[in-house]
Amino acid sequence: DTGVSQDPRHKITKRGQNVTFRCDPISEHNRLYWYRQTLGQGPEFLTYFQNEAQLEKSRLLSDRFSAERPKGSFSTLEIQRTEQGDSAMYLCASSTTGDTGELFFGEGSRLTVL
Amino acid sequence: SQQGEEDPQALSIQEGENATMNCSYKTSINNLQWYRQNSGRGLVHLILIRSNEREKHSGRLRVTLDTSKKSSSLLITASRAADTASYFCATRGGGFKTIFGAGTRLFVKA
Repeated sequence: DTGVSQDPRHKITKRGQNVTFRCDPISEHNRLYWYRQTLGQGPEFLTYFQNEAQLEKSRLLSDRFSAERPKGSFSTLEIQRTEQGDSAMYLCASSTTGDTGELFFGEGSRLTVL
Repeated sequence: SQQGEEDPQALSIQEGENATMNCSYKTSINNLQWYRQNSGRGLVHLILIRSNEREKHSGRLRVTLDTSKKSSSLLITASRAADTASYFCATRGGGFKTIFGAGTRLFVKA
């Protein structure tokens, strides 16, 4: 068990470009979450999956954001036409289907939009 | 949007002292969790307390929950410089979405 891994750890892009982040959860975890965190704030919920089904999506997530988990394993978060306000840390977490819901986080992908 | 609000926003103490952080939330919950985050890193789960529990201990951590006041507190006893981090409370309602507060930044001076 290598924990939750995220790639890339850092991404610098120009405004208007598309970016994609990948998350590999802990192998036996079937719930996967995406959060966004800006400096000095707590993680903001974006979306979560149970297996391959996307069960909830925050209203914070504009149409420029899309997340997938095609085979119920790894997930991708794509941001199209990035804006400077998208600059943040994007955190992925996974959990089992047990009722406690303890989240295991990756180290995050930091996005800087110039 | 964030459900929880932590208080204080920042806390600076000497090594060996106790640190107390408070969290208030707005809606009914299934459980409340506390997480720790070192600068630039991911979050690490510390402790979970269910809605029908009032107090829980884990090592130097003590968590209390008052559902009537919709509040929780995290006490770290005999703090160490290595406890310097941000601490977040997180609540989970009837579904599986976990909502985080804005956090308390703890600085423990050696």
